[in-house]
Amino acid sequence: RKEVEQDPGPFNVPEGATVAFNCTYSNSASQSFFWYRQDCRKEPKLLMSVYSSGNEDGRFTAQLNRASQYISLLIRDSKLSDSATYLCVVNMGTGGFKTIFGAGTRLFVKA
Amino acid sequence: DTAVSQTPKYLVTQMGNDKSIKCEQNLGHDTMYWYKQDSKKFLKIMFSYNNKELIINETVPNRFSPKSPDKAHLNLHINSLELGDSAVYFCASSHPSGSGTDTQYFGPGTRLTVL
Repeated sequence: RKEVEQDPGPFNVPEGATVAFNCTYSNSASQSFFWYRQDCRKEPKLLMSVYSSGNEDGRFTAQLNRASQYISLLIRDSKLSDSATYLCVVNMGTGGFKTIFGAGTRLFVKA
Repeated sequence: DTAVSQTPKYLVTQMGNDKSIKCEQNLGHDTMYWYKQDSKKFLKIMFSYNNKELIINETVPNRFSPKSPDKAHLNLHINSLELGDSAVYFCASSHPSGSGTDTQYFGPGTRLTVL
């Protein structure tokens, strides 16, 4: 089993749609969780951290379920500019310096 | 005033050569990383350094030797380059995990092509 697993997609959605991405992780000692976004031929950039209580940033909502070792990202009212690869990221509990990236979920938003 | 910078951006070289990639961050972070992103776009950690000390070495061949002259720099030297080394190499930096502010900031990447 991979340490961090994501549905690779691609997800093809029309503008204005709501889309949800899921991610599971295998190490229960994992400490911190993030969603990053990577555009084609660019570096990954932080989209948002993920907290146990759930958190929202504009059209983006992230949820963490530690019991199920599951992380989600919800994007509402999709924009063309949301087209990118979304990376689920977990910092492991081994001193916290080991970061595991999921393989990414590709999103295409179409007009 | 780029936060994390890498040089060169592109590197094309022959098999068997030795090459270096430089990374610098001006964010005052203690922790720096090297990642490899292969043709399948999978991003995998190679090394983590904290305060100039190696913390994580993820079963990377010893042809790869990171060096951290100070906290702001983490360079990557690669000996005897092989075709399979072709990839994009990303440098990143952060505060230590568990500090509550461990977001990683990435450099623009170095696209290495080994012919």
